[in-house]
This record gives sequence, C-alpha cells and structure tokens, in this order.
Amino acid sequence: AQKITQTQPGMFVQEKEAVTLDCTYDTSDPSYGLFWYKQPSSGEMIFLIYQGSYDQQNATEGRYSLNFQKARKSANLVISASQLGDSAMYFCAMRGGGGQSGGSNYKLTFGKGTLLTVNP
Amino acid sequence: KAGVTQTPRYLIKTRGQQVTLSCSPISGHRSVSWYQQTPGQGLQFLFEYFSETQRNKGNFPGRFSGRQFSNSRSEMNVSTLELGDSALYLCASSFNRGLNEQFFGPGTRLTVL
Repeated sequence: AQKITQTQPGMFVQEKEAVTLDCTYDTSDPSYGLFWYKQPSSGEMIFLIYQGSYDQQNATEGRYSLNFQKARKSANLVISASQLGDSAMYFCAMRGGGGQSGGSNYKLTFGKGTLLTVNP
Repeated sequence: KAGVTQTPRYLIKTRGQQVTLSCSPISGHRSVSWYQQTPGQGLQFLFEYFSETQRNKGNFPGRFSGRQFSNSRSEMNVSTLELGDSALYLCASSFNRGLNEQFFGPGTRLTVL
C-alpha cells in the first residue's frame, strides 16, 4: 500500500521569501512518481511538479522545485520568492508504476495537504 | 489545448435521488480517473478508466459507478444519494496509464440535502 504524509497542516510565509512544504511517502513499489498539486479556494487541482523515482536530478518548474531524497523517502516542495497568489492548499501525491500490482497502484494517493498563507 | 472539463459545476440533490457527472479529458488523453474530496476523508480514489474499461476501483459502495466512451469522455453515476455523498468530485486525465502526470478538471460540487 502507498501512503503520503504531510505533517504541516498550515504554513505561513512572508511575500518574496522561500518556503518548504514537507512530504514523506511509503511504498514497496520499485517504480513510482511523486506529484505536487495546488488547490486554490476555487477547488481546481493545479499540477505543479513531478518527480520520477529513477530521476537522478531534482525536478524544477519555474519557482517550484522538488527536494527528492529517496533514501529518506521524502519529496519536499520548495517555493522560491513567494507571491500572494501562492496562498492555497498544497497536496503531495504518489502514483505507482504498475509492476507486481498489475496496475492497481496507478491511482494517485494523496496526503492531507498543507494550507499555505502568504502574508504581504 | 483545452483542459479537462467537468459538467455540471454545481449540483444540489436530495437523499435517494441519483446523479450523473460528466468529464471530458484533454484531447489525446485516454485515461480518466475520478476522485472524491471531502473535509473529513480528504481526496479518495473512486475509479480509473482506460480504453472504455474500468481498470481500477477504490473502496466505495456499488452505488458509485462509471463508464468511459470511445472518445475517452467519462461519466460517473451515484444512485440512492446519501448525505455523506456531498463532496467535490474531481476528474483527472492522463495520456496513458502509469506514471504520466494527471491533470484535473475544475470539479463538480455536489450537495445532498
């Protein structure tokens, strides 16, 4: 079974500062993907960044980077130069790569989320 | 390229009724998954469809069902609605199964009275 843990229910950051949102995961799959999504109050889930378990380098997308530490099973999201529009709920998620599960682990398993508030 | 679209965006039903939600994936995407989001349970996987076949199902009662059409559009149906079915229902599409990124639609917010 796959499990995602986000231990920070809420985080505050000052505008223009960097912030790290924590995510740890647990899986027995040798191949998996890790995702971060942003959910504003409107409800839509916005894809931010993806890291594959075999990727050698940490993923980056603009102001977002994923600090992937495979041995520690952590996939923290780093947002640089926070903006007021970054205020939202952030979800870490995992998706398996098939393997012995026969594809039953292709679903996304989500953490409970972290509510980020950016202060002016 | 148009994103994932879901209709309707908002829905109010009463207990015992049934409801059908629709999802149109991104053009070219063949995999569609559905998720339920509630304040208490968070985001939970409902089912996944690929090539008109249900490939995966979450731990939900049989009142929840779905299907996928040849153009990859998907519908989910909930029969005999209960108060606890009030939730945001999110549809996600990906190009293929496996480790591809899933892109979500805006969701359908269902309220059961």
